[in-house]
Amino acid sequence: EIVMTQSPATLSVSPGERATLSCRASQSVSSDLAWYQQKPGQAPRLLIYGASTRATGIPARFSGSGSGTEFTLTISSLQSEDFAVYYCQQYNDWPPLTFGGGTKVEIK
Amino acid sequence: QITLKESGPTLVKPTQTLTLTCTFSGFSLSTSGVGVGWIRQPPGKALEWLALVYWDDDKRYSPSLKSRLTITTDTSKNQVVLTMTNMDPVDTATYFCAHRLICSGCRSFDFWGQGTLVTVSS
Repeated sequence: EIVMTQSPATLSVSPGERATLSCRASQSVSSDLAWYQQKPGQAPRLLIYGASTRATGIPARFSGSGSGTEFTLTISSLQSEDFAVYYCQQYNDWPPLTFGGGTKVEIK
Repeated sequence: QITLKESGPTLVKPTQTLTLTCTFSGFSLSTSGVGVGWIRQPPGKALEWLALVYWDDDKRYSPSLKSRLTITTDTSKNQVVLTMTNMDPVDTATYFCAHRLICSGCRSFDFWGQGTLVTVSS
């Protein structure tokens, strides 16, 4: 099973600043990686798939990069609605599909 | 537009079998490439994938839970049903169903239900 590790667990950022979230896979997943945003009491929302392709309707301030075992989600200028928990998910070697433990982006 | 909604009991007793239904609209499970998955999330914890069924009835399960899970479809009713046997308090979680993003090789989920909280307690 591929283990996904996200860091940091919590990221404190001021509105308007850049946020950089990391996701590491225990073995290569090529570019088969997705990012989700989840707000309290809501279902996850797909942001990025294929490591770098924005899903439909996702603002350009969200960008994904990386391949193999190291991935990054960057939010270029944090808006108030971006404070949430973010999860990465690999779909290269499955079953199982596996998610990271999440990074909480909070207001500094 | 695509919508999904989970339904089922909110409380089950240990050792009982849980049956959850995902009722969807805006797509057909008869269409090539379509898939519906189940994912759960214990309170305050991360997401855990459980199962995925494709349009061609190909079914995949989490290896750690495979012996307890069954996923079935009712195409005429636009429903996907997940059963989980021998429920335990550690299975307390919000259970989500979700539509698989349709792209080559994709196994991520672009539309999700609101989730249903299932508590396992005697």
